[in-house]
Amino acid sequence: GAVVSQHPSWVICKSGTSVKIECRSLDFQATTMFWYRQFPKQSLMLMATSNEGSKATYEQGVEKDKFLINHASLTLSTLTVTSAHPEDSSFYICSAQGDYPYEQYFGPGTRLTVT
Amino acid sequence: SQQGEEDPQALSIQEGENATMNCSYKTSINNLQWYRQNSGRGLVHLILIRSNEREKHSGRLRVTLDTSKKSSSLLITASRAADTASYFCATLDTGRRALTFGSGTRLQVQP
Repeated sequence: GAVVSQHPSWVICKSGTSVKIECRSLDFQATTMFWYRQFPKQSLMLMATSNEGSKATYEQGVEKDKFLINHASLTLSTLTVTSAHPEDSSFYICSAQGDYPYEQYFGPGTRLTVT
Repeated sequence: SQQGEEDPQALSIQEGENATMNCSYKTSINNLQWYRQNSGRGLVHLILIRSNEREKHSGRLRVTLDTSKKSSSLLITASRAADTASYFCATLDTGRRALTFGSGTRLQVQP
């Protein structure tokens, strides 16, 4: 299957700082990318859907000013957690989706710890 | 989007036994997928079953889908210690392109 990478794989930052996470589709063009968040021992919750060249669509309850998503090209989407707080500590996973039949390929995840 | 439910939440079995996990969902779907996640790691895609299919096999995995009951089951036969992980069902709902994940089952296979 296709390969999706995330960088960094883990990051520790201080409260109030911003952190950027990159999601890249390495061998195919992803018209749509998704960002999920997973708290310990819980399932994945969709945060937002990003389409190349347009604004992201956020799920209810997700603050778009706090979680900035940019999908600048067909192979790269970024999630920036702004003014991070300890409650933002979580596992963030992206997935990339090509055209029909819309198979999704998941990145390995980024562990964010805010101190 | 509302998540589906999986049961059991946790399952502990001995190596060699079969493990069955169930998933229920609420919407109309295009397909249902099962994923495995080792602790703190990314997702591994296991199997996809389309809405017009009732059963699918892949190695030691058997998945069933009952769209009238909006439920699916994942059977892992002859389990191994390496099967220890969390297992999630995920539905591709009609009209959406994002997956909706179930609550997950934590499987522990004792050697």
